Amino acid sequence: NAGVTQTPKFQVLKTGQSMTLQCAQDMNHEYMSWYRQDPGMGLRLIHYSVGAGITDQGEVPNGYNVSRSTTEDFPLRLLSAAPSQTSVYFCATGTGPRVLTFGAGSRLTVL
Amino acid sequence: DQQVKQNSPSLSVQEGRISILNCDYTNSMFDYFLWYKKYPAEGPTFLISISSIKDKNEDGRFTVFLNKSAKHLSLHIVPSQPGDSAVYFCAARGDYNQGGKLIFGQGTELSVKP
Repeated sequence: NAGVTQTPKFQVLKTGQSMTLQCAQDMNHEYMSWYRQDPGMGLRLIHYSVGAGITDQGEVPNGYNVSRSTTEDFPLRLLSAAPSQTSVYFCATGTGPRVLTFGAGSRLTVL
Repeated sequence: DQQVKQNSPSLSVQEGRISILNCDYTNSMFDYFLWYKKYPAEGPTFLISISSIKDKNEDGRFTVFLNKSAKHLSLHIVPSQPGDSAVYFCAARGDYNQGGKLIFGQGTELSVKP
């Protein structure tokens, strides 16, 4: 039982490049979300989904896209990376926005 | 606008003593509060929670207190152990009309000295 799997664990991008952070869960959770962690800022919600086909914006959605075509997967897309998007990204899932199970994180550096 | 604030970036306590971590919030519509614990290079893990209809919840060495009039939440760890050294995040959930988002504070790094 893998829980929440995030890939890749580390990534270095150049400004303007695009990439997708993958998140997969095997717990059949309806609720999935993406957070970024920055020093002094804590965990900030980027986007979340309450079920397949349903997504909504969090606190800091600009520069990121998401989609939810299946219950299991919730990819986060950066269309044109900027240095301000250098961060650690966490995918989190749950039966609702309460007790969440987090992935191990993806560390992204944008040069 | 930071709706959930942890004003102490760090806290250091001696093993065996009490650790008290504090959290303030601004939105009176928050209906559920949680504490998460995070070790380096790992994702946060759920620790303890409390509903807005209660003022205290205990789980072993961990107790969360909620003061709704002051919009203040605290986590007490008694007795503190070196393995408790981690970053602690408080989180608050908006009600259904707010989409039920879970909003986190900035975190407090707890160091428990042997």
